[in-house]
Parts: sequence; structure tokens; C-alpha cells
Amino acid sequence: AQSVAQPEDQVNVAEGNPLTVKCTYSVSGNPYLFWYVQYPNRGLQFLLKYITGDNLVKGSYGFEAEFNKSQTSFHLKKPSALVSDSALYFCAVRDPMDSNYQLIWGAGTKLIIKP
Amino acid sequence: ETGVTQSPTHLIKTRGQQVTLRCSSQSGHNTVSWYQQALGQGPQFIFQYYREEENGRGNFPPRFSGLQFPNYSSELNVNALELDDSALYLCASSLGLAEISTDTQYFGPGTRLTVL
Repeated sequence: AQSVAQPEDQVNVAEGNPLTVKCTYSVSGNPYLFWYVQYPNRGLQFLLKYITGDNLVKGSYGFEAEFNKSQTSFHLKKPSALVSDSALYFCAVRDPMDSNYQLIWGAGTKLIIKP
Repeated sequence: ETGVTQSPTHLIKTRGQQVTLRCSSQSGHNTVSWYQQALGQGPQFIFQYYREEENGRGNFPPRFSGLQFPNYSSELNVNALELDDSALYLCASSLGLAEISTDTQYFGPGTRLTVL
């Protein structure tokens, strides 16, 4: 069965420091991986995705993520955090072999950037 | 903004009632998906429609049903509402190209449903 784990409910980072939000997954085949961000009272906004190719994916707002097949991870990173990055971050995975096209989501990680 | 809109923003219903939530996709997007997001949790996939046909469904009972229309609008219908149906309901549209699995989904702001 497909699953996604975001092991940290909350991550606290000082402004200007690098940030990492962790995500691990479990699918039967090669995964399609996505990161979204959710601001209060708003829908989910797409940040980046990994489909195939280069393991390092660059996305919106200076975020990037590294696909690591051996560790089944897809951690979200940013070299220098901004206070405005404070939000709820979701990792999601889709199994290309799933005929239902389900996007399976993690429980989310609250990112707090302190000035 | 994603160009995906949902209505209403908030809704209060009582147990046993029926509800219809509406979504307007981005122009040109052939695929719409619906999700249920309970408080403090990630979204749960309800179902997906592609060119007006349901082509994927999550682990939700048949009282959750949907429609997709040619004008890029869609509906989520929930019958016999239960207290546990209280959640944020999100719709997401995507282009619906050949490789649907790789499509980026663009989300609306959601409808907050409260069942009393």
C-alpha cells in the first residue's frame, strides 16, 4: 500500500538559516512525488514535483527537494528561510501503477520561521 | 491564485441532510479531483473525474458522488451526512494530458463543511 510519512509535526528555524522538511514514502514502483504548501484559510499551492530525471528538483519561492531512492525520501529544502515561509507543508506521492490515480498525502509539517 | 474557485466558502448542515459543493476548474483543465481534509490532517482523495467520467476513487462510500460538466465546473454531492463528514473539502484541477499521474494539480480554497 502507498503511504507518506512526514515525521515532524513542526519545524522551527531562525530566519536566514537553512531549512529542511522531511518526507519519506512507500510505493510499489517508481514514485511521482509532490510538495505543496498551505497558508491559513487558503487552498494548497504547488511547490515542486519529481517525476523522473535529476534527483534535485527546483521549485517555487526558492525551494528545492532531493529525491533519494535508496532512502525512499524526498526532503524539502531551502538555503535561507524567510518569515513568510511559515506555513503548513505537505508531501504527496502517486504510484504510476495505481489505476485510481490517487495522490496520497502526508499529515503535514508546520514550519515556523522566527525573526 | 490558481484560477480554481469553490462555493460556498462555509456551510453548516445537520446530520442526515444532503449537500452539494461546487468547483470551477481552470479553463482547459480536463481533470478534477476532490479531497476531504479533516482538521490537522492531510487531504484524503475522494475521487477524480476526467472528461465527465469518474476514473479514480478513494476509500469513500457511495454516498459521496460527483459530476463534472463540459464547462469546467464540477460538483461533489454527499448524502446522509454524518458528523465525521465535517471537514474542508478541496477540489483540484489539472490539464488531463496523456500522463495523468504526472499532472500538477491546482487547488481551490476549499469549502468548510460543518455537520451538527
